[in-house]
Amino acid sequence: DAKTTQPTSMDCAEGRAANLPCNHSTISGNEYVYWYRQIHSQGPQYIIHGLKNNETNEMASLIITEDRKSSTLILPHATLRDTAVYYCILRWNNAGNMLTFGGGTRLMVKP
Amino acid sequence: GAVVSQHPSRVICKSGTSVKIECRSLDFQATTMFWYRQFPKQSLMLMATSNEGSKATYEQGVEKDKFLINHASLTLSTLTVTSAHPEDSSFYICSARGGTNEKLFFGSGTQLSVL
Repeated sequence: DAKTTQPTSMDCAEGRAANLPCNHSTISGNEYVYWYRQIHSQGPQYIIHGLKNNETNEMASLIITEDRKSSTLILPHATLRDTAVYYCILRWNNAGNMLTFGGGTRLMVKP
Repeated sequence: GAVVSQHPSRVICKSGTSVKIECRSLDFQATTMFWYRQFPKQSLMLMATSNEGSKATYEQGVEKDKFLINHASLTLSTLTVTSAHPEDSSFYICSARGGTNEKLFFGSGTQLSVL
């Protein structure tokens, strides 16, 4: 799986949008962009994933650039409970394929 | 969403003993489960891939005789840390592939402390 690059840490004010960037310049055509987050001492939680179109669900929006070399996860109204490490992961969508975690971005939502 | 249950959430044991961690998919059949390990302030590292009814595939550097994995049914995989040592102290997390074949769902993790 291709590699992703994320900032080590970010701060966000409570109630504001949190925009988490991810670079994946070597992404291949069949790789999806997945986002997970891990709150302290818990297992990772699925957020959203996409191939090339922008995606939105009840948790977040995923914006993927047209060349697919980067993406942004948007939490529209961050709360204190969104404080976590956010992982951007590329993955082939075939059966049985695991997730390879990088360093992620530690998002701190502040009051 | 799909639920993966992991038990126990925390275990403290003496050096030399064995510890079993269970991972169950509660509302779907998981033909593949993955076991990860996470040390403090580090990312998750894949230990092994477990397929129902067959032997697990271990990542390089992970001792298969020390970390015994059993995936006897479509809803249960177990990881047994044999003859645990203090350096095995870590956060162990399982994950399972959901019915959509797209998402992986994770258990809540097990914090193992070996004294």
